[in-house]
Formats: sequence, structure tokens, C-alpha cells
Amino acid sequence: DAGVIQSPRHEVTEMGQEVTLRCKPISGHDYLFWYRQTMMRGLELLIYFNNNVPIDDSGMPEDRFSAKMPNASFSTLKIQPSEPRDSAVYFCASSLQDRPGYTFGSGTRLTVV
Amino acid sequence: SQQGEEDPQALSIQEGENATMNCSYKTSINNLQWYRQNSGRGLVHLILIRSNEREKHSGRLRVTLDTSKKSSSLLITASRAADTASYFCAPRSSGSARQLTFGSGTQLTVLP
Repeated sequence: DAGVIQSPRHEVTEMGQEVTLRCKPISGHDYLFWYRQTMMRGLELLIYFNNNVPIDDSGMPEDRFSAKMPNASFSTLKIQPSEPRDSAVYFCASSLQDRPGYTFGSGTRLTVV
Repeated sequence: SQQGEEDPQALSIQEGENATMNCSYKTSINNLQWYRQNSGRGLVHLILIRSNEREKHSGRLRVTLDTSKKSSSLLITASRAADTASYFCAPRSSGSARQLTFGSGTQLTVLP
């Protein structure tokens, strides 16, 4: 298995633009998590899905952030409009119900200028 | 979910030495997991210890758990430069939802 695949690896965008981050979880995994990592705030859980259904989105910072999981093999995290303070590394992770460990993707480094 | 607190925040050792990192948490757990993050990469699951276990080994890793003190430690023996990374603990609360919350981690630097 290729692991959790995130794209793009790097994204530089201008303030006010829409940004879409993508994630392909490991096949068969039924949980998907989106995290954001910054030096100031560490790793923050934004939202997670179980069987494509959002379970807890309490970590989503603002209405500018939205996440979808249209099927078991794809999820998106969208920021519209983006702001410089959204600059961070965004990670996607997936896991199986009966196996507690997470598998993380390599992350998307987002820079909003 | 609850967040573990790793200690120390940073640790610098010579290659070949042992490295010990500690984790404290607040409420009862089902299990506790340790993860490693190399610079610029995602977290990698290292080892899990269940609440009814006191010690677990995996290669050069040794994890202990003391539920009475609500603490865990991760020992890396005979460290290598490649062990340089941040290490995070993630306690999984009993009966809680699925999510894990991560602390600030311990930044380990192994000097050649």
C-alpha cells in the first residue's frame, strides 16, 4: 500500500484565494482525520470522519474552513478565503476501527502570502 | 480526548547513548501510543501500550506505563543519528471517541 497520500506537497497562494487540500486514505481504513501543525499551536485536530461521515468538526477554526469526504478513498479540506494565519502544515491521517494506530500522510505545507 | 504532556521539551545526546522521554496524562486511559515525527514528515506510529500492560518492547524501543502515576516513558537504547526527531505521546481515554490529541512533543537530537 502506498500509504496516505496528500496533495499538493506545497501550496503557495495569495490571501483571499481558495485553497483545496486533498487526501487519499489507506484502502479499507474507515477513519480519516485532518490535523494542522504550526510552531505556535502544535498539532491541532480539525475534523474527523468515520465511514465518510463527519463525526467531530469542533476543531475547524472558522467557517472559512470546510471538509468533505465524498467516498471512502478521497477527502478534501477547503479554505475560502485563505488568510496568512492559515499558513501551516496540514496532515491527513487514517486508521482502522479495530487497530488504534494512525497512519499519517506526508502533509501539505500551505503558505498564504 | 485528552492530551499527553511530554517531558523534556528537548533532549540532546551522543550517538550510542540511551534517550528517555516521559509522558503524563490526566484521566484513565484505554491505551497510550507513541509517535515519531522526522523533520518535514508526518507522524509515524511507533508503539502502543494498553492500560493493563506495564512494559512493552519493540526493537530498541522500550515503553513503560504506570497507571497509578498516570505516566509513561519511552526509552530508545543505543541511539543513532537517524533517531533525531520529535516524539509524541497520545493517551487514548477509556470509552472516548476515536480521536487522538497530541502535545508539543519531545525534540530529540542525537549527535554523531
